[in-house]
Amino acid sequence: SQTIHQWPATLVQPVGSPLSLECTVEGTSNPNLYWYRQAAGRGLQLLFYSVGIGQISSEVPQNLSASRPQDRQFILSSKKLLLSDSGFYLCAAEGSGTDTQYFGPGTRLTVL
Amino acid sequence: AQSVTQLGSHVSVSEGALVLLRCNYSSSVPPYLFWYVQYPNQGLQLLLKYTSAATLVKGINGFEAEFKKSETSFHLTKPSAHMSDAAEYFCAVSDADYKLSFGAGTTVTVRA
Repeated sequence: SQTIHQWPATLVQPVGSPLSLECTVEGTSNPNLYWYRQAAGRGLQLLFYSVGIGQISSEVPQNLSASRPQDRQFILSSKKLLLSDSGFYLCAAEGSGTDTQYFGPGTRLTVL
Repeated sequence: AQSVTQLGSHVSVSEGALVLLRCNYSSSVPPYLFWYVQYPNQGLQLLLKYTSAATLVKGINGFEAEFKKSETSFHLTKPSAHMSDAAEYFCAVSDADYKLSFGAGTTVTVRA
């Protein structure tokens, strides 16, 4: 079965600082990868998804970006954080042929 | 895109009582339906998945869900609530382009 790692677990950053969140997947090859955000009272919002190395689709225009430098590595970045970027960021992976997304433990980001 | 409606943002049940969480999806029949559970500050955990093999799906922790095409519903039940069932529950349906559409979530509290 697949395992999804995310780090860091928690992060407190000042407004205007850069961001890099990392997600790695074990136990499957060529997964579809996803970044979601949960803001207080707003449910799950899909930010980006990727079906292969270097292939990124953006769902919501914002100051965030994503990259997939390796098959099982997915990175969420920002050059300058906004207060509205605070939230709980979840990485998910869908193994090839499984049609099921499994989620990582999440990263709690607080922008002050 | 599919739409998912979870009726009731909060449900409170007594320990030992029936848990019923309601989920309705838009009229086109999706390939797959899911229920996920999220405990505080954790990622989403898959409870169960409907794949059209059987209309009644059994999941982990004693939960089950019934797919009713005529009602476009996929309600989640557990006969006897336990304190450990206190969490937020999300219904999701598969959508085009490898994506999931999530409901807004239902928070379950269990009274002793």
